Amino acid sequence: DGGITQSPKYLFRKEGQNVTLSCEQNLNHDAMYWYRQDPGQGLRLIYYSQIVNDFQKGDIAEGYSVSREKKESFPLTVTSAQKNPTAFYLCASAGGYNEQFFGPGTRLTVL
Amino acid sequence: KQEVTQIPAALSVPEGENLVLNCSFTDSAIYNLQWFRQDPGKGLTSLLLIQSSQREQTSGRLNASLDKSSGRSTLYIAASQPGDSATYLCAVDLYNFNKFYFGSGTKLNVKP
Repeated sequence: DGGITQSPKYLFRKEGQNVTLSCEQNLNHDAMYWYRQDPGQGLRLIYYSQIVNDFQKGDIAEGYSVSREKKESFPLTVTSAQKNPTAFYLCASAGGYNEQFFGPGTRLTVL
Repeated sequence: KQEVTQIPAALSVPEGENLVLNCSFTDSAIYNLQWFRQDPGKGLTSLLLIQSSQREQTSGRLNASLDKSSGRSTLYIAASQPGDSATYLCAVDLYNFNKFYFGSGTKLNVKP
């Protein structure tokens, strides 16, 4: 059963803490993406990776970091430098014709 | 930079009505355009993908059209049902960028 999984579903962060969001796919896609969604807004691109061991900054990369050591995995770390991290985070991968498929999302809240 | 606009931001219709959602974009050099559905608190579900060489795609009660020259796409939903209530987003993929630009979505409410 192919798809994208994200964990955890809910995450709470204290001030000054780094947290890591997991994204795993078994669709054999090369490209993976991280987006942030705020209420009433569209998706904004944080980072994307087109191949293992390579990734590029999106439009709002400040305060975030990623790694792509395996094709299946693209974890996102929200660092303490991100001053307003409360949001809904979505991971996606893209296959043939760049069709995107999304995971269920992680809701991050700052305490 | 590609700008993607969706109008209206919200729409409420009675069950059974046919409806059209609009998506416009500023740069016509697109590789494809994709329509998604998002339920509250959930991820995005892909509905239809239209490649730049295509004019339309159909899936069940959904039909999406693409007019690159005018920078517009429409999503037609036939015989709407309460289960169609969700936010619908469009996204465009520019050639050679492998990045996607999203509209803010249209929130659809289908009343029984």
